[in-house]
Amino acid sequence: QVQLVQSGAEVKKPGASVKVSCKASGHTFRRFGINWLRQAPGQGLEWMGWISGYSGKANYAQRFLGRVTMTTDTSTSIAYMELRSLRSDDTAVYYCARGYCSSTACSGSKFDPWGQGSLVTVSS
Amino acid sequence: SYVLTQPPSVSVAPGQTASLTCGGNNIGRQSVHWYQQKPGQAPVLVVYDDRDRPSGIPERFSGSNSGNTATLTISRVEAGDEADYYCQVWDTSSDHPVFGGGTKLTAL
Repeated sequence: QVQLVQSGAEVKKPGASVKVSCKASGHTFRRFGINWLRQAPGQGLEWMGWISGYSGKANYAQRFLGRVTMTTDTSTSIAYMELRSLRSDDTAVYYCARGYCSSTACSGSKFDPWGQGSLVTVSS
Repeated sequence: SYVLTQPPSVSVAPGQTASLTCGGNNIGRQSVHWYQQKPGQAPVLVVYDDRDRPSGIPERFSGSNSGNTATLTISRVEAGDEADYYCQVWDTSSDHPVFGGGTKLTAL
């Protein structure tokens, strides 16, 4: 059974950084990509970027360029998403989701399955 | 950037059929994926590539896509189908995925 398990909730102050982890099991990690998405309270889904489990190539959404870094550890099948310079409007549930990606592209991919989500609260 | 438009809410009586639409310019030329999200839970893929169902998704869930509208159809709606539903495509111009704003399905 394919499963993605994320790290727990975090509370951060404005200007700080947060690093969320996503451990994959039940599939060959290097054959897929991991996408990161977020959902602010009461809002819809927002895609942040993806990273190849094979090559480590990452592609970020324009609005997060310079603030986000996605990495993988293939030895443990864990993907990480670090977001820096946190603001109050970064308060959201952050999800990882498996993407059907090549080593260089994720075009057309569906997202399945999803992790359970990690609540990040940014508050002074 | 590519925009997907979904009605904010749809209400149907239990046992009836719900049709959830997702509008986009020439969306019929793209592969559309649909997700169900119940309160406090992560999204779940219910239809992919316009009309295919992942294993474990009931046959009551079906999809179609043509012209400027994709549709998720839920037959014999149950109380347990109440959720937010999101459509998603991949914007080829930006090479990024795009989501609709979501439709809240209520079983009256």
